[in-house]
Parts: sequence; structure tokens; C-alpha cells
Amino acid sequence: AQSVTQLGSHVSVSEGALVLLRCNYSSSVPPYLFWYVQYPNQGLQLLLKYTSAATLVKGINGFEAEFKKSETSFHLTKPSAHMSDAAEYFCAVTPTGKLIFGQGTTLQVKP
Amino acid sequence: EAEVAQSPRYKITEKSQAVAFWCDPISGHATLYWYRQILGQGPELLVQFQDESVVDDSQLPKDRFSAERLKGVDSTLKIQPAELGDSAMYLCASSFLWEPEAFFGQGTRLTVV
Repeated sequence: AQSVTQLGSHVSVSEGALVLLRCNYSSSVPPYLFWYVQYPNQGLQLLLKYTSAATLVKGINGFEAEFKKSETSFHLTKPSAHMSDAAEYFCAVTPTGKLIFGQGTTLQVKP
Repeated sequence: EAEVAQSPRYKITEKSQAVAFWCDPISGHATLYWYRQILGQGPELLVQFQDESVVDDSQLPKDRFSAERLKGVDSTLKIQPAELGDSAMYLCASSFLWEPEAFFGQGTRLTVV
């Protein structure tokens, strides 16, 4: 069975600081992994995806994530936070099709 | 740019009433999903369609929820009767057949009073 754990329900950073959102997964088969962002009362927008190609994945808005099989992790990073990055972030895993989401991490960006 | 369309965006209904949500996936997407997202949590799958067939409805509360995708294109999710605990965001998503990447609509925010 697949599962996702996001460490830290709330993360607060200053504008311009490094953003690090943590995600660990459990999967009995090689996984596909995703990071989505959600703004209040909006749907989910795909930030980036890992589909067994390069382990370092670059996404939109300057975000990237690294797939580490040995650590079963897929942490999301951004070198310099912007105020517009404040949102809810979800990590998700799927063998194929049905997405299994973590509980989400709220990112707060302080001026 | 192609989008998943959902309506309505917001719905307030009284307990024990019936409510329905509509989703139109991206053209050519054979797979359609309905997810429920309770405030403060990640989305959870309610039902998955492949064309007009249900692939997974194991988490759908079948005593009150129903979903259909009659012509394999748009889909309707119905709740009857609505309960207070059904207040949530209902998200529709679609993907190409066997593709893992799903595209989400803007969701329907349901409030049951």
C-alpha cells in the first residue's frame, strides 16, 4: 500500500529565505510522486512530478524536488521565498492513477 | 489552455437536502476522478472512472453518494441526503488513460447547514 507523510503542518519562512517542505513516502512499487499547490478556495495546481526519469526534478515558480529512494523522500525546495508562495502544499504518490495525498503543509512567508 | 470545469463553485444546502455537482474533464481524458477534501486535510478519492465505467468507488459512501459518467465525458456527483459532515471541497480531476498526471478543476465548496 502507498502512503505519504508530510513533516510539519505549518512552515514559516522570511521572504528571500530557503523554502524546504518535507515529504516521505511508502510504496510497494516504484512510485510516481507529485507536489501540488493550493491557494484558498482553489483547486490543486501541479508544481512538479517525478516519473522515474531524473531524480532532481524542476518545476514551476522556481521549485524543485529530489527523489531519494534510499531515504524514501521527495522534499520540495525553493532557494528564495516570495510572498506569493504562501499557500498549502501537498505531496502525493501513485502507482498509477489514484493519487494518495499527504495532510498538507501550510507555507507562511513573512515580509 | 484546456481546463477541468466544475460547477457550481460554491453551494450552501440544508441538512437532508439533495445536492449535485458537475464536472467536465479536459477533452480526450478517459480517466476522471472525484476527490473530497475536508478542511485542513489532503484530498481523498471518492470515485474513479475509466470512460463510463467505475474503476474504484471503495471510499464512496454509497448509502448517500452516487456518481455517474453516462457518455464517458462529463460527470455528476450527487449527495442525498446531505449531512453536516459532508461539508468539504469536492474536487474533480482528469487524466489521459494510464497517465499518472491528473489535472484538477477549481472545486466545489459545499457547506451543509
